Amino acid sequence: AQSVTQLDSHVSVSEGTPVLLRCNYSSSYSPSLFWYVQHPNKGLQLLLKYTSAATLVKGINGFEAEFKKSETSFHLTKPSAHMSDAAEYFCVVLSGTYKYIFGTGTRLKVLA
Amino acid sequence: EAQVTQNPRYLITVTGKKLTVTCSQNMNHEYMSWYRQDPGLGLRQIYYSMNVEVTDKGDVPEGYKVSRKEKRNFPLILESPSPNQTSLYFCASSFPSGASYNEQFFGPGTRLTVL
Repeated sequence: AQSVTQLDSHVSVSEGTPVLLRCNYSSSYSPSLFWYVQHPNKGLQLLLKYTSAATLVKGINGFEAEFKKSETSFHLTKPSAHMSDAAEYFCVVLSGTYKYIFGTGTRLKVLA
Repeated sequence: EAQVTQNPRYLITVTGKKLTVTCSQNMNHEYMSWYRQDPGLGLRQIYYSMNVEVTDKGDVPEGYKVSRKEKRNFPLILESPSPNQTSLYFCASSFPSGASYNEQFFGPGTRLTVL
């Protein structure tokens, strides 16, 4: 069975410093992977997705993620955090064709 | 505007009183799904539908029912709600089924409280 683990439940960074949100997955075959963001009292918005075309995936708002098969990781990064990045982030793996499995989320806090 | 809509957005009810949360999408998506979000647990899939009249259980289906009579609608039914179903519920849709790279589009959420 496929699964996804977000290694940090909370991450705090200062504005202007890099962001790293960690995600590990388990899969018996090449997975489909996604990162979603949820701002307070809002729905979920897709940040980026891995479709096996390229291991480095660029998303919206300056975020990117690198698929590393050898490490079974799909960490989300951003070079410079902005106050508006404060939100909860979810790593998601597609299990088979129809079942999406969410990580438990990482809450990002950005300090002024 | 392409969107997924849910109604109601907020609902407070009592144990045992049947309720329905509606979900509708205007993107002609084949795939639709319901999730519940609880603190520290992320989103967990309740039910999903691959197309009209085709549904299947997710990870936490107990206490819920769904139906898919039309492509655009996917209501979530709680026949006898209990307090442990107090949660934030999200509906999502995707097109087409079977394409592993397609992301889901989410509704705004329904916050349900069962007293």
